Amino acid sequence: EVKLEESGGGLVQPGGSMKLSCVASGFTFSSYWMSWVRQSPEKGLEWVAEIRLKSDNYATHYAESVKGKFTISRDDSKSRLYLQMNSLRAEDTGIYYCTGMITTAMDYWGQGTSVTVSS
Amino acid sequence: DIQMTQSPASLSASVGETVTITCRASENIYSYLAWYQQKQGKSPQLLVYNAKTLAEGVPSRFSGSGSGTQFSLKINSLQPEDFGSYYCQHHYGTPYTFGGGTKLEIK
Repeated sequence: EVKLEESGGGLVQPGGSMKLSCVASGFTFSSYWMSWVRQSPEKGLEWVAEIRLKSDNYATHYAESVKGKFTISRDDSKSRLYLQMNSLRAEDTGIYYCTGMITTAMDYWGQGTSVTVSS
Repeated sequence: DIQMTQSPASLSASVGETVTITCRASENIYSYLAWYQQKQGKSPQLLVYNAKTLAEGVPSRFSGSGSGTQFSLKINSLQPEDFGSYYCQHHYGTPYTFGGGTKLEIK
């Protein structure tokens, strides 16, 4: 059974930092591009960042809204995906989903972790 | 960025009916279009990718069509478990963008 499980969300003050983690099981993690997607009532579903394979030198891509603030990374030996989020603002509030991509669409989704940026 | 426009925003239908949701891309995305279903309180689930390829385990009453800038998702003979929200998304390179969603409700 394919499973993606996010953790690390919670409440953080504006300007603060937070690191999300996602552990994968049930599929060959190292063969999948991985992305973070967030969802909020205001913006709907929004792709945040993508990381490709070792064979792609772990190339990364970011949404313009998070470029320079967020860093996506992966540890294939642990089947883990990460999202380091810095300089957080209220508009970064939402549910963050870890997704696995074999078709270039988002084939697998985790259950999500909630991030709230508020003082 | 490529803009994805979905219609209608909401739709009310009865069990057994056939419904169609449309999605328009602001530029040519060839067939790089995916559809997702999301139920209340759950994460989205992939239904269709490459415009018309059903994801594993998706019932055949779902079908996707289109290419270029115009796409549609058709659901034949609606079942109770089909009610929820549906989103389109282009996967023609980053930044990937999603449509605003269609909420399918029981009439």
